[in-house]
Amino acid sequence: NAGVMQNPRHLVRRRGQEARLRCSPMKGHSHVYWYRQLPEEGLKFMVYLQKENIIDESGMPKERFSAEFPKEGPSILRIQQVVRGDSAAYFCASSLLPGRVGPYNEQFFGPGTRLTVL
Amino acid sequence: AQKITQTQPGMFVQEKEAVTLDCTYDTSDPSYGLFWYKQPSSGEMIFLIYQGSYDQQNATEGRYSLNFQKARKSANLVISASQLGDSAMYFCAMSIQGGSEKLVFGKGMKLTVNP
Repeated sequence: NAGVMQNPRHLVRRRGQEARLRCSPMKGHSHVYWYRQLPEEGLKFMVYLQKENIIDESGMPKERFSAEFPKEGPSILRIQQVVRGDSAAYFCASSLLPGRVGPYNEQFFGPGTRLTVL
Repeated sequence: AQKITQTQPGMFVQEKEAVTLDCTYDTSDPSYGLFWYKQPSSGEMIFLIYQGSYDQQNATEGRYSLNFQKARKSANLVISASQLGDSAMYFCAMSIQGGSEKLVFGKGMKLTVNP
């Protein structure tokens, strides 16, 4: 009964490199959310995906960031040409029944990936 | 747009005492959900309690209860009988029905439980 899995837990990149963050939702969940948490801040929504579809990307920066959730395999958040301002904790969450507000809409969070850009 | 406000940057409480963590929200949508999450120093986000906008009764989960005052748009978390393990960051969040159900978080507040 594994929860949401994220890897790596810690990622160090130099400026200009690419960062790939992976998220495997809970078993049976097909809805994935990505959030970013800057130091001393709350989580900020980035993108909401279903299998093979991006549903809401209103929180994604326009450049360098992309996300996918293929039919098979984990969801990937990709950051190209990272800059120091990308250093943050990136959380993935999955849910079972979005579309109606209720306890079944609860989003289960992964442990996060802490990205450090040198 | 939805907004969550947590104005208390930090609080201290003695072990075994009750503590209230404040949260106010702003939305024009009639159907929404309110959530509280705990983030210990290890970093994971732990779901604590949920309150729906149409729920007649305040939500309770063990030592956690949510003081929901709809007219005042407040959703304060009450922790009874504080434990040392309750020391953590606490985040209030909201989601809107009919949208993508993304969570909008407050800035959080740090609770320290003293022995």
